[in-house]
Amino acid sequence: GIQVEQSPPDLILQEGANSTLRCNFSDSVNNLQWFHQNPWGQLINLFYIPSGTKQNGRLSATTVATERYSLLYISSSQTTDSGVYFCAVGDTGKLIFGQGTTLQVKP
Amino acid sequence: KAGVTQTPRYLIKTRGQQVTLSCSPISGHRSVSWYQQTPGQGLQFLFEYFSETQRNKGNFPGRFSGRQFSNSRSEMNVSTLELGDSALYLCASSLRSNTGELFFGEGSRLTVL
Repeated sequence: GIQVEQSPPDLILQEGANSTLRCNFSDSVNNLQWFHQNPWGQLINLFYIPSGTKQNGRLSATTVATERYSLLYISSSQTTDSGVYFCAVGDTGKLIFGQGTTLQVKP
Repeated sequence: KAGVTQTPRYLIKTRGQQVTLSCSPISGHRSVSWYQQTPGQGLQFLFEYFSETQRNKGNFPGRFSGRQFSNSRSEMNVSTLELGDSALYLCASSLRSNTGELFFGEGSRLTVL
């Protein structure tokens, strides 16, 4: 099956800093999503981005499907950005999740 | 538009018991998927239902089962609970099966004692 690797596993930033999270996947996919898991466990949709670039406020994402990777950019980070970020790719009707990047933004 | 609703949010069971979790998808969505999240295994796919039919199943024992009703609401059942079944169970809904964006509920956190 498809393998999904996220890096870095952990990231500590000062408020206001920028960061880039990476997601590598081992095969072509028809679905790629980025999620932020809130402290209560809910997965919040950030981007549905099987290819191309999207932006939403301070967050943006780029997926280069031909090279099998996706990047999530967080600019001017805030303490509320803290949490776990997951990349998930679609594989025959299910999502395969990476292990996540745990982000801590310090005030 | 209401999001994905899961009930109950928290529950505690003892080994050997069974549990039923419920998921109401976003209105108009016909696909419902279930995922298990544990600290050791991360997020793993359990199964997907579309129009009351199981379309896809993950690598879990037969103790894990599910169903979907004509109104697209779904239930999953775990019988003969084991300590290792303690997890966050997440339900996701999607407009279509096999592709498209998934939207998750807040999850049901199960503790097995």
